[in-house]
Order: sequence, then structure tokens, then C-alpha cells
Amino acid sequence: DVVLTQTPLSLSVTPGQPASISCKSTQSLLRSDGKTYLYWYLQRPGQSPHLLIYEVSSRFSGVPERFSGSGSGTDFTLEISRVEAEDMGVYYCMQGLHLPWTFGQGTQVEIK
Amino acid sequence: EVHLLESGGGLVQPGGSLRLSCAASQFNLRNYAMAWVRQAPGRGLQWLSAITSDGGDSYTADSVQGRFTISRDNAKDLVFLELTSLRADDTAVYYCVRRQVVHGSGHFDLWGQGSLVTVSS
Repeated sequence: DVVLTQTPLSLSVTPGQPASISCKSTQSLLRSDGKTYLYWYLQRPGQSPHLLIYEVSSRFSGVPERFSGSGSGTDFTLEISRVEAEDMGVYYCMQGLHLPWTFGQGTQVEIK
Repeated sequence: EVHLLESGGGLVQPGGSLRLSCAASQFNLRNYAMAWVRQAPGRGLQWLSAITSDGGDSYTADSVQGRFTISRDNAKDLVFLELTSLRADDTAVYYCVRRQVVHGSGHFDLWGQGSLVTVSS
């Protein structure tokens, strides 16, 4: 199975400051169709997860511009340019290329 | 607003079975590939199974293969996950998710609120 390793596992951020989460895959997530099957989800406390970013860097509908994704192959990053209180929760990367599809272990983001 | 709604969870004894159902609000489920993801208490997310929009193809994680079965009834606009031979470590919230394969690579663009399955004697 493809293992996704997220770092850090927890993050405490002051509102208005940037934050960055890394996701490293044990296999390339680039497919022959040119798409990279790496996604980012946020699960706020007590809620279901929801999609933030798909195919590395495409922001999902309604996701604020302060969220951005980057990377290629096996190394990916989610960045929040200026953290807001509503950004607290657990962030998961996920790969949808190799079966079984797998998630990173999650990064807990706390707002100071 | 579009929603997914799971039902069928509850308390079941070890070795027992349950069938989870997933229905859609404000869109036609039959037009979408779907999947199930679970989250054990205090743990991360685990993909379980997926099915194409026409039900012709399905994929299931090896860890639950042979015990969990995904299916759908497009006439009733429902997706199911049959859970059998349940064990204590199957205790989790089970999420129904919509896959975006037409305008994307299959990312989960819509999640249900989850259905809690508790396996205990």
C-alpha cells in the first residue's frame, strides 16, 4: 500500500500567520493522463471531512484563496497564507491513484 | 444545498451484520461514482470501498474484502455498504462520499454526516 506521511502531526498557529503541512508519498502519484492524484481534506471538530484541494493545487469550490497546494511526484505541501480561527481542525492528504486509496495520518492544526 | 445522508448504523454484536444506506438530497446519486470511508474513534480516515456510477465495477480494500460489500440501486437512487462478520475494531463512523470522476480524478467532493457503527456485546 502507498503510505502518505504528513509532517508535522500537530501545529499551533497564531491567527494571521502562515502554516504549512507536508505530505510525502512512498510512490509517485502522477498518472499517465498527466494528472496527479493527491487531495487535501479538512475535518473541523465534530464535523465530517470536506475537500479543500484536488489534483495537488486546484482549490475546490468555495475554498478561500489563502489555501494553496503544491508539489509533484511524491512530495506535496498544503499552505495557508494567513491562518484564521475557522481553519482549526485536522488536515488529511489522500492519494487516489493506487489501490487501496490511502490517507495521511492527519495534521492537527490549533489556533493560538 | 446538496447533501448525502447515511442511515442504518447502530449497535451490533460481534459476528453480526448491518447494511448502511446512503441517499442524496438535491442531486441524482445515480449519476455519480460513490465510495465509503470510515473513521474509528479518535483515529484517521480509512477508505473502504468504491463503486462506479452504473454499478458495473467496484473496488474494496483488502482489509475488509470478503466482509464488506458495496452495491447500489440506481432505480431507488441509493448506495449501500453491507457489513458482515463484524468485529470490535470495525467500530467507527462510516461516511458515504461522492467521487468526482467526470470533472476530476475521483476526489471525494461531497461527504455525508456519517453513520456510527458500534460493535460490542
